[in-house]
Amino acid sequence: EAGVVQSPRYKIIEKKQPVAFWCNPISGHNTLYWYRQNLGQGPELLIRYENEEAVDDSQLPKDRFSAERLKGVDSTLKIQPAELGDSAVYLCASSSSGWGTQYFGPGTRLLVL
Amino acid sequence: DQQVKQNSPSLSVQEGRISILNCDYTNSMFDYFLWYKKYPAEGPTFLISISSIKDKNEDGRFTVFLNKSAKHLSLHIVPSQPGDSAVYFCAASVEGGSQGNLIFGKGTKLSVKP
Repeated sequence: EAGVVQSPRYKIIEKKQPVAFWCNPISGHNTLYWYRQNLGQGPELLIRYENEEAVDDSQLPKDRFSAERLKGVDSTLKIQPAELGDSAVYLCASSSSGWGTQYFGPGTRLLVL
Repeated sequence: DQQVKQNSPSLSVQEGRISILNCDYTNSMFDYFLWYKKYPAEGPTFLISISSIKDKNEDGRFTVFLNKSAKHLSLHIVPSQPGDSAVYFCAASVEGGSQGNLIFGKGTKLSVKP
């Protein structure tokens, strides 16, 4: 069974530029999560989807971050404009239901110059 | 305020010996706990979990112990192998409804020396 797929794996951009990350969850997993992991920290939740619905986006900086999950499968996380402090690893995870074990993708490492 | 704390940033153990990684939590509503292992440039990989109705869960070389009264859990790896060298994250959640979000600790870097 294929795991969570993310792309790109690495991205380097200049500040104020836009950037987008893509995630394909494990087949059949209805719940999808986006996390941000800063250096030396654990992952922190940005947004959680149940199918197409964002059920928890309380930690998403909505002035510059947006996300969508069309058709309840793939998801895209966007930052516009990027700031230096956005440099981090962006992780996507999925689970078969709204609780329990989450399975993570390899992450996208973003560097904002 | 951190709800999940891993107070040891690093741990070094000799191959074949026991590795014990510790985790403390402050939120008494947490009722599901997980350990993830992370290699460099990879995403966290699920290792083992435990529900608050249990105090121990074992899977091969990995055992997680939960002490609810102390709000403490630990991961035991016996015997430790060089391939176990990674960063280990403790995570906690409140099961059910919209409370399934995981809260992670900062991680402990385990080094197993041959």
